[in-house]
Amino acid sequence: NAGVTQTPKFQVLKTGQSMTLQCAQDMNHEYMSWYRQDPGMGLRLIHYSVGAGITDQGEVPNGYNVSRSTTEDFPLRLLSAAPSQTSVYFCASNKVRGSYEQYFGPGTRLTVT
Amino acid sequence: ILNVEQSPQSLHVQEGDSTNFTCSFPSSNFYALHWYRWETAKSPEALFVMTLNGDEKKKGRISATLNTKEGYSYLYIKGSQPEDSATYLCASIPTGNQFYFGTGTSLTVIP
Repeated sequence: NAGVTQTPKFQVLKTGQSMTLQCAQDMNHEYMSWYRQDPGMGLRLIHYSVGAGITDQGEVPNGYNVSRSTTEDFPLRLLSAAPSQTSVYFCASNKVRGSYEQYFGPGTRLTVT
Repeated sequence: ILNVEQSPQSLHVQEGDSTNFTCSFPSSNFYALHWYRWETAKSPEALFVMTLNGDEKKKGRISATLNTKEGYSYLYIKGSQPEDSATYLCASIPTGNQFYFGTGTSLTVIP
């Protein structure tokens, strides 16, 4: 099992550009989520999904879109990048909701200039 | 937004010392609490998932307790080793779907 994979590992964007961060898991997990990690702020939930076709907002959803067309994939879209979106992004999955272990991907370091 | 607090923010201990950290969360709504270990340049790794008041979990030299009525969890490390150096995160899950993380306790074990 590859677990949770994320691409790319690093990305530099200019303000106003758009891009998609990819996340995939091969553990047949229903729950997937995206976090951003900023110094002194801890991990903050952006969006989550409890199954294919079902997504919901987390703590900091503005500026990001998600969709979940398959159980395996949960891409995160930045529609118009802003410097405030410079961060490290982690994708995570777990079997069902919060009563199971959550597995994290390796992270994507995004810089917006 | 849920306020999850961890203390202390950082800790330096000598090899062989035992240590403990605290995670505080609102006790009004509770579904689960998670503990994670996060090494530099890696991803967080799950240590414990705790769901019941009075839960005690153990993995080797690391153990955790949970008090949902007063809203806190303790993580204990017995006989700290240099390889225990990491940031330890807790996350409160009040309704089952949204994870709220604390900012972590950074542990350095000095050989």
